[in-house]
Amino acid sequence: GENVEQHPSTLSVQEGDSAVIKCTYSDSASNYFPWYKQELGKGPQLIIDIRSNVGEKKDQRIAVTLNKTAKHFSLHITETQPEDSAVYFCAANNNGANNLFFGTGTRLTVIP
Amino acid sequence: GAVVSQHPSWVICKSGTSVKIECRSLDFQATTMFWYRQFPKQSLMLMATSNEGSKATYEQGVEKDKFLINHASLTLSTLTVTSAHPEDSSFYICSAEPGQGFYEQYFGPGTRLTVT
Repeated sequence: GENVEQHPSTLSVQEGDSAVIKCTYSDSASNYFPWYKQELGKGPQLIIDIRSNVGEKKDQRIAVTLNKTAKHFSLHITETQPEDSAVYFCAANNNGANNLFFGTGTRLTVIP
Repeated sequence: GAVVSQHPSWVICKSGTSVKIECRSLDFQATTMFWYRQFPKQSLMLMATSNEGSKATYEQGVEKDKFLINHASLTLSTLTVTSAHPEDSSFYICSAEPGQGFYEQYFGPGTRLTVT
């Protein structure tokens, strides 16, 4: 099955700075890579996703890049704000199926 | 769009009793729904996948007789924790997939179960 690794486990940045979270995956057949934001006591919220036929996708302050050859993808948040503070999870689907395998999460803290 | 609700948001029950958690997709039809369990400060662990009208597929190590899943319609799935014990206390989260091969999963707000 798929194995997704995520780094770092915790990340603190000053407000206004950028934050980068990286994930690697093991199954070259995976073709869908979403990112979720989870606030304390709430369910994960899909914030951006990318499919294997593109290398980069951007939505306002959030961007995701995908390197299929190296089997890694990254989340980039620019101009961070305190409300960006949360736990972020990357995921990859399982061999083209609809099951998602999640990374271990990154706790992002944006310091005002 | 793509809103998923869960009910209840939290529940406390006594050991030995059963608890039912509902998951509803409010503005779309979900061909597939998923049930996850999350321990504090940990990632999401997939428990089972359910498709409307068919039996759920459970992940290895998840007891299907203990965690009963029913996907009665394209907008409703239920998880029943039977004969609950304190070790079943956890945060249970469902997700729903609109289907059509796009793989997006939209998550509910979660249900905090505490078994005393």
